[in-house]
Amino acid sequence: SQTIHQWPATLVQPVGSPLSLECTVEGTSNPNLYWYRQAAGRGLQLLFYSVGIGQISSEVPQNLSASRPQDRQFILSSKKLLLSDSGFYLCAWSQAGNQPQHFGDGTRLSIL
Amino acid sequence: RKEVEQDPGPFNVPEGATVAFNCTYSNSASQSFFWYRQDCRKEPKLLMSVYSSGNEDGRFTAQLNRASQYISLLIRDSKLSDSATYLCVVKKAAGNKLTFGGGTRVLVKP
Repeated sequence: SQTIHQWPATLVQPVGSPLSLECTVEGTSNPNLYWYRQAAGRGLQLLFYSVGIGQISSEVPQNLSASRPQDRQFILSSKKLLLSDSGFYLCAWSQAGNQPQHFGDGTRLSIL
Repeated sequence: RKEVEQDPGPFNVPEGATVAFNCTYSNSASQSFFWYRQDCRKEPKLLMSVYSSGNEDGRFTAQLNRASQYISLLIRDSKLSDSATYLCVVKKAAGNKLTFGGGTRVLVKP
């Protein structure tokens, strides 16, 4: 069966520091991969999605970037974090077509 | 107008009662529909897909009304463990993205 791993679970970072969140999927090949952010008490905002290695689509302008160096690995990065980057970051995967997405456990990021 | 709209609630439901709520979507080209459940400070989890003919999974029933562009979720015999935020999710025919509603919060009380 397919599993998705996301780490770390929680992270506290100072303003201006870099960020790297990693997500890996097991048990499937060529998945679609997604990064979302959820601010406290708010809905999910799609940040990036990828349909293949090296293929990244950005949904909103921001100081974050994403990379997909391997088929089942998706990385969210920032060179300099802002206070507004605080939130709950979720990685998800799906098969192509009209398939639902499945989420990792999420990373709760606090910027101080 | 938001692409996917939900009543944020909360819906306060006595244990054992039935609760139902809707979600409206604006894009008539939407093709796939899902309900997810999200517990506080946890990731969303797929509850059920919604099929054109309507479908049932235990105490949960989902309906799709394409003419009026809404989907619904009904929970029968509510349990305390049903307390959560229910997210309506819509996918357009083209592309790989899902659009999430803001969620409907349900609180089941003894």
